Amino acid sequence: KAGVTQTPRYLIKTRGQQVTLSCSPISGHRSVSWYQQTPGQGLQFLFEYFSETQRNKGNFPGRFSGRQFSNSRSEMNVSTLELGDSALYLCASSLDHPTAKTQYFGPGTRLLVL
Amino acid sequence: QQQVKQSPQSLIVQKGGISIINCAYENTAFDYFPWYQQFPGKGPALLIAIRPDVSEKKEGRFTISFNKSAKQFSLHIMDSQPGDSATYFCAASDDYKLSFGAGTTVTVRA
Repeated sequence: KAGVTQTPRYLIKTRGQQVTLSCSPISGHRSVSWYQQTPGQGLQFLFEYFSETQRNKGNFPGRFSGRQFSNSRSEMNVSTLELGDSALYLCASSLDHPTAKTQYFGPGTRLLVL
Repeated sequence: QQQVKQSPQSLIVQKGGISIINCAYENTAFDYFPWYQQFPGKGPALLIAIRPDVSEKKEGRFTISFNKSAKQFSLHIMDSQPGDSATYFCAASDDYKLSFGAGTTVTVRA
């Protein structure tokens, strides 16, 4: 079974621009979560989607948004990019079952904001 | 405010030695505690996970010890190998949201 895939793998943007990142979960997984990883703040939860609805949200400004499609694929968008948004953005998927909470991560998208 | 505190920040161990990483949490709503291993340029990969009704879980050379009353859990890597050199993250989950520790960089010297 294929793992979580993320596109693009690398991205360079300038301040003020916006960016859209894509995530395809493991087949059959309906929950998709997004995390930001930086050297200073570590791994931080952005949001989680299930059945096209945002179910959980972390403490990030409204510039960070996401959505999920009917095939469980997800996108996240960051508008008005700031230098501090440079990070590895990770997507994770899970089965969404009380006894199967394991989240499987993709390779991430490395975003550099200049 | 970090909900999961992890220590040490880094450790060096000789090949064949034991690596021990400790984590502590406060939120008693956490009901699932996974450990992830991450290599440079890769996403975190699940290593082993435990639920609070179990005090110990072993998978190969990796063992989780869990102390519910102390709200602490730890990862033991037995017979450490150079290929184990990576960053290890503990995490805790409630409602499908993972809260991660700050990570421990493990270096195994041959």
